[in-house]
Amino acid sequence: KAGVTQTPRYLIKTRGQQVTLSCSPISGHRSVSWYQQTPGQGLQFLFEYFSETQRNKGNFPGRFSGRQFSNSRSEMNVSTLELGDSALYLCASSLPTGGSGNTIYFGEGSWLTVV
Amino acid sequence: DQQVKQNSPSLSVQEGRISILNCDYTNSMFDYFLWYKKYPAEGPTFLISISSIKDKNEDGRFTVFLNKSAKHLSLHIVPSQPGDSAVYFCAASAQGAQKLVFGQGTRLTINP
Repeated sequence: KAGVTQTPRYLIKTRGQQVTLSCSPISGHRSVSWYQQTPGQGLQFLFEYFSETQRNKGNFPGRFSGRQFSNSRSEMNVSTLELGDSALYLCASSLPTGGSGNTIYFGEGSWLTVV
Repeated sequence: DQQVKQNSPSLSVQEGRISILNCDYTNSMFDYFLWYKKYPAEGPTFLISISSIKDKNEDGRFTVFLNKSAKHLSLHIVPSQPGDSAVYFCAASAQGAQKLVFGQGTRLTINP
């Protein structure tokens, strides 16, 4: 069974540009969430999508957005890139079952460098 | 406000001995806890989890203990192997929300 797949794995962008990252969840998983990892802030939750609807959102500015497609694939977009957006962006997926106890599985991440 | 805390940034253990990684939380709404292992520039790999209705869960060399009254959990790895060297993250979620709150991580080094 394939895991969570993220593309691209590495990318370099210039300040002010925008970037789109893609994620394919584990087959059958309907919830997709995104996280940002930086050395200073650790792993932080960005947002979560289920059935094409954003259900949860972390404390990030509106430049960070996402969407989910009918096949559960997801994309996240960061507009007007800033140097501080350089980070490892992680996509995760889970079933979920509706109650507590849903294991969340992560992809390998997309490493974004803003110059 | 850091709701999940791993107070030890690093831990060094001899191969074959027990590794104990600790995690504290403040939010009493958390009811599901997970441990992940992570290498640099890679995604976290799920290790083991525990629901708040339990106080212990085992999977091979890994055991997680939960003390709800103390809001504390720990991960025991026995015996420790060189391949266990990585950063370990504790994470928590509340009431079925697919949103994890992570600790800052503990770097575990297993010495031969």
